[in-house]
This record gives sequence, C-alpha cells and structure tokens, in this order.
Amino acid sequence: SQWGEENLQALSIQEGEDVTMNCSYKTYTTVVHWYRQDSGRGPALIILIRSNEREKRSGRLRATLDTSSQSSSLSITAAQCEDTAVYFCATPYTGNYKYVFGAGTRLKVIA
Amino acid sequence: AQTIHQWPVAEIKAVGSPLSLGCTIKGKSSPNLYWYWQATGGTLQQLFYSITVGQVESVVQLNLSASRPKDDQFILSTEKLLLSHSGFYLCAWSPTRNTEVFFGKGTRLTVV
Repeated sequence: SQWGEENLQALSIQEGEDVTMNCSYKTYTTVVHWYRQDSGRGPALIILIRSNEREKRSGRLRATLDTSSQSSSLSITAAQCEDTAVYFCATPYTGNYKYVFGAGTRLKVIA
Repeated sequence: AQTIHQWPVAEIKAVGSPLSLGCTIKGKSSPNLYWYWQATGGTLQQLFYSITVGQVESVVQLNLSASRPKDDQFILSTEKLLLSHSGFYLCAWSPTRNTEVFFGKGTRLTVV
C-alpha cells in the first residue's frame, strides 16, 4: 500500500499477470485520482474514481474505492511491458487547495 | 488546447547559489497553479499553490519561495541553494479545485 511518508513500493511481475496496487488516504475526499509517471516525466492521470462509485474501469485498468476504510486500489489486468512505470494515488483536500500524493508503487513488468 | 511549459529542463547549481525555475500555462485563463518537488525514487511533495495572480500559499517550508507575476506564469526561487534542494521540480495546473492536475515535463535540479 502507499501513503504520505511511506517509501515507494516496488513490484516486479511477469507479462500477462494481473497486479493490484493499494492506497489509503487520511482525509475526507470526494474523489481519488490515479496517476502514472514514466521515467523523467511528469505524472499523468490514468483513472479517477468518485466517492459515489465503488468500482471504475478503463480498458485494462480497474479502480476501487472504499470510503469507509478510506482506501482505494488500482488493478491492471494482463500487464504488459509498457505498463512499467510508477503509479500514484492522489486526493484533493476538501476545503483547500492541497492535493496530496501517496508514496507510489514502482511497477516493473518483465517479458 | 492547454499547454504547460517548464524551464529550464535541467540545472546543475552550486550550494549557496540562487535559483529561479519557471513555468507558463497557455490556453487556460485563471488556472490553479502548483509547484511540486520529487526526490529520486520518492513521491511528489506539494510546495506551493496559487489560485490567482499575486497570491501564493506555501504548503511546506523548504527554504523556497514562489510567485505568480502573471495569470499564466509561476516562478519558484531561492536565494541560497542547499544540497537538499536537489530533485525533480514539477509545475502543474488544474482548472478548479478537486479536479485532475496537469503536470509539466519537470526540471531536474542537481545541487553540488
């Protein structure tokens, strides 16, 4: 899992496997964003899930959200080598302009 | 379409020297602007945000300052660099609060 001061996690899987990355957040939020960051580049949003959704799908991506436990997950089905990247969850703070990223998961998909 | 441009792409600076990094956002009026810092292998730490020209709020204290001299421009600076300032600096914008944040390509800063 990932949040705040925790170190970036590392996962290494074989191509074709499924993988799930977890995130827990510490503040009330109405949405969780998941970003992907390729080496040397800024992060880019890949999927978002709102508090009134339990699950959201986009292609091979699946995000879940459990507001009662303040946790979210990102799953990638049949991972490909091009999925190799760092994945972050992020949540906006309600009431101000803080926008906080989790610690991140470095995913390596091996052929 | 909106574009975000950061400069410079990379810098190598001496400890104690000044620093100025910048970004401009085109195609969006009155964006919310952000500066983030990322250590190698680390997460993104929000440094500053600005919701309007001339107003900047600090999120963490890292002996850095930021200014927004124009609606589309955000500047990060310090008069005296520390070794701990090394890292990847990212400028970002969002149209409103609670929405997706769009990042620039970043500036790699090495302090020696």
